[in-house]
Parts: sequence; structure tokens; C-alpha cells
Amino acid sequence: AQTVTQSQPEMSVQEAETVTLSCTYDTSESDYYLFWYKQPPSRQMILVIRQEAYKQQNATENRFSVNFQKAAKSFSLKISDSQLGDAAMYFCAYRSRLGDSNYQLIWGAGTKLIIKP
Amino acid sequence: DAGVIQSPRHEVTEMGQEVTLRCKPISGHDYLFWYRQTMMRGLELLIYFNNNVPIDDSGMPEDRFSAKMPNASFSTLKIQPSEPRDSAVYFCASSFLGNTIYFGEGSWLTVV
Repeated sequence: AQTVTQSQPEMSVQEAETVTLSCTYDTSESDYYLFWYKQPPSRQMILVIRQEAYKQQNATENRFSVNFQKAAKSFSLKISDSQLGDAAMYFCAYRSRLGDSNYQLIWGAGTKLIIKP
Repeated sequence: DAGVIQSPRHEVTEMGQEVTLRCKPISGHDYLFWYRQTMMRGLELLIYFNNNVPIDDSGMPEDRFSAKMPNASFSTLKIQPSEPRDSAVYFCASSFLGNTIYFGEGSWLTVV
């Protein structure tokens, strides 16, 4: 069974600085998706970034980028130029792409990101 | 494009009452998921549908919970009778095949 681990329950960063959130996962599959979702105090679950395992190039969305290390099963999120609005819980998630999978999301426990003004 | 739409956003109800949560998935999506989030248990998958058919309801906590998807654009999650321990944020989410899952804004349920 697949597992996702976020080892940092909480991180803090100064506004405008860069922060990296860690995520590791375990799977025997070769084809899958990895996601970072953001959940602000409003509790809405917002997709931040997506990585397809077969793509070697790291995904980037504006100030958000990932460091995807498939062999090491690592998927960290880097937030550049941190803004107050980035304060939220960040969840790492895994989803199989196998045709016979149930397509469930496997979630990490989350990392609370605090932005210091 | 409209995202996943949930209603109500907030509901406060008395113990024993019936609660119905509603969801409209993104048009064209063939998978629909119901999640529950609490501080104690985190995010839990309750049930999911594929092409309107329930595929896995093993996460539904008790017989008090039921979910339906009468057509591709509508689903309900019903709790009858409700109990205080059902208080949580309930999310509906949808996807096309095994692609990205998009979430609604959630329904905050408080049972007093």
C-alpha cells in the first residue's frame, strides 16, 4: 500500500523569504501523480501544484515549484517570495494512475506554514 | 469555469435531525468523492462514485450515513439521525478519470 509522509508538522518563514516543505512517499508503482494542496483557515482545499511521475521536469506554478526525486521517492515544495496569503496547511498527496486502481488520494498529515511579517 | 459547488456552506442542526449535503461536480468529470475532515481524524474518504455508480463506500462510518448520485451533475450525502460526533467539514470533490481531484469549498456541519 502507498503511504505519504510529511515530517514537518509546522514551518515558519519570514515574509519574502523562501521555504521548502518536505514530503516522502512509498509505492511500488511507476506511474502516478503527486500533488500539493493548500488549506487556508477558510478550510477550502486548493490545488497548488501537480507532478506526473513519468515527467522528469519539475513542475512550476509561479512562486511554487517542486523538487521531484523519483528514485528517492521525495517530493518537496518550494515557495519563493513568501507572502502572508501563503499561510495555510499544506498537504502532500499521491494518486495512482493505474487503470485498475481506485484512484483514491493518499494524504500526508500536513504541514502548517506560518508566515512572519 | 465553475468548480465543484457544495451547499450548504454552513449548517447548524440539533442532534437527531436529518442533514443533507449537496454537491454539483465539475461538468465532464466522471469521479465524485465525499470526504470528511476533523481535527482528530484528518481527511477521510467516505465514498466515491464512478459514472454515478458507488464504487467504494467502506469509509462511510455508520448506517446513519448514505450517499446518492442520481445523475452526473448532482450528489447528496445524508446523515439521519445526526449526532454531535458528526460535526466536521464535509468536502465533495471530482475528477476526470485518474487526473487531478478538485475540491469544493466544503460544508461546515455542527450538530448540537
